[in-house]
Amino acid sequence: QKEVEQNSGPLSVPEGAIASLNCTYSDRGSQSFFWYRQYSGKSPELIMSIYSNGDKEDGRFTAQLNKASQYVSLLIRDSQPSDSATYLCAVLFGNEKLTFGTGTRLTIIP
Amino acid sequence: GAGVSQSPRYKVAKRGQDVALRCDPISGHVSLFWYQQALGQGPEFLTYFQNEAQLDKSGLPSDRFFAERPEGSVSTLKIQRTQQEDSAVYLCASSPPSGRWTDTQYFGPGTRLTVL
Repeated sequence: QKEVEQNSGPLSVPEGAIASLNCTYSDRGSQSFFWYRQYSGKSPELIMSIYSNGDKEDGRFTAQLNKASQYVSLLIRDSQPSDSATYLCAVLFGNEKLTFGTGTRLTIIP
Repeated sequence: GAGVSQSPRYKVAKRGQDVALRCDPISGHVSLFWYQQALGQGPEFLTYFQNEAQLDKSGLPSDRFFAERPEGSVSTLKIQRTQQEDSAVYLCASSPPSGRWTDTQYFGPGTRLTVL
């Protein structure tokens, strides 16, 4: 059973602080990892993809991957109220279907 | 350009009715995916098309679920004899011509199905 685990939250972070979202996955052979943002009642939107160990930065977002620990995280710097959403971690197992976690609900407190 | 569109946006069905959900992918996108998202859960894969070929339907929960994409563009997800457990948001996504799984999937707005 291929699994992706996330803390469902809610995670509350003050405006301007760093939000840290975590995800673990069960298949050591996984190669591709994605973070999607989903606003309430809206469809998922890809914000970051990462394929290699280490950090990948894009604006205020940094994705971190540690394949040995089977762990991927998303950091959001200078959090804004507009970042309040559910963040979905998705893992591509082999060359098969994308498997999503249940999502972490993030609330940025003004 | 236009994104992925889905219709209807909302559908209420009585238990036992058949429903058909439509997806219009981004023009030129080869790959098309259907997902089911229950309340408070992440999307769960249902089925995958590359052009008109249905390459993976392992996520379809029962033989009441059927999907087609006869001309390699518009796709229809049909659910026969709907049950209350079918109530969910059905998401369609498409991805660009290379057809690789690692390509970005662009999601439509979804169809919220409620079975009474």
